[in-house]
Amino acid sequence: SQQGEEDPQALSIQEGENATMNCSYKTSINNLQWYRQNSGRGLVHLILIRSNEREKHSGRLRVTLDTSKKSSSLLITASRAADTASYFCAQRAKAAGNKLTFGGGTRVLVKP
Amino acid sequence: DAGVTQSPTHLIKTRGQQVTLRCSPKSGHDTVSWYQQALGQGPQFIFQYYEEEERQRGNFPDRFSGHQFPNYSSELNVNALLLGDSALYLCASSLANGVLNYGYTFGSGTRLTVV
Repeated sequence: SQQGEEDPQALSIQEGENATMNCSYKTSINNLQWYRQNSGRGLVHLILIRSNEREKHSGRLRVTLDTSKKSSSLLITASRAADTASYFCAQRAKAAGNKLTFGGGTRVLVKP
Repeated sequence: DAGVTQSPTHLIKTRGQQVTLRCSPKSGHDTVSWYQQALGQGPQFIFQYYEEEERQRGNFPDRFSGHQFPNYSSELNVNALLLGDSALYLCASSLANGVLNYGYTFGSGTRLTVV
């Protein structure tokens, strides 16, 4: 089974709206990363947040991390049709060496 | 600056056959990881190579093996293919001393279909 889970599994919004997705995980982490995947192709790294950080921004992306609740959220503001993709969180767990453990992803559809 | 390159893009094999997938890491990266992604699921870690040795392995059978060459490129070999091996195989490269602060660079993947 996978280390984390994303919620919701799917999300449909209108262009210009904000999209929020959440990720929960089970063990202590060194960092948590978010990736985007278009149409079943390669993953693109979006943002990395370390375990001692609580919030991070990159352009229209905002990531929060709550280690006490073992959860993270990704907010995409002012969404665009090009943001249509699957979004995955991945944890680098302290006891898991260098591997990344992915959740099942959130499929986001942004309608024009 | 080229990113991660994987070949081939698509592959169709018959049950019982063997397959080799190839990966060239991003320039400057020294570590290669392989992931298997079944349709509709998140990627699952297969193994990671550093300094031409398997450094870490996920929960995959011995039918899955790999190699890293002196130029940091890598191969994933799968023997005795099963229908369940059909998936997108992703290669990711990274810098060994940067894993705490930097994400991985993924290739576009190899879509393997076993019939």
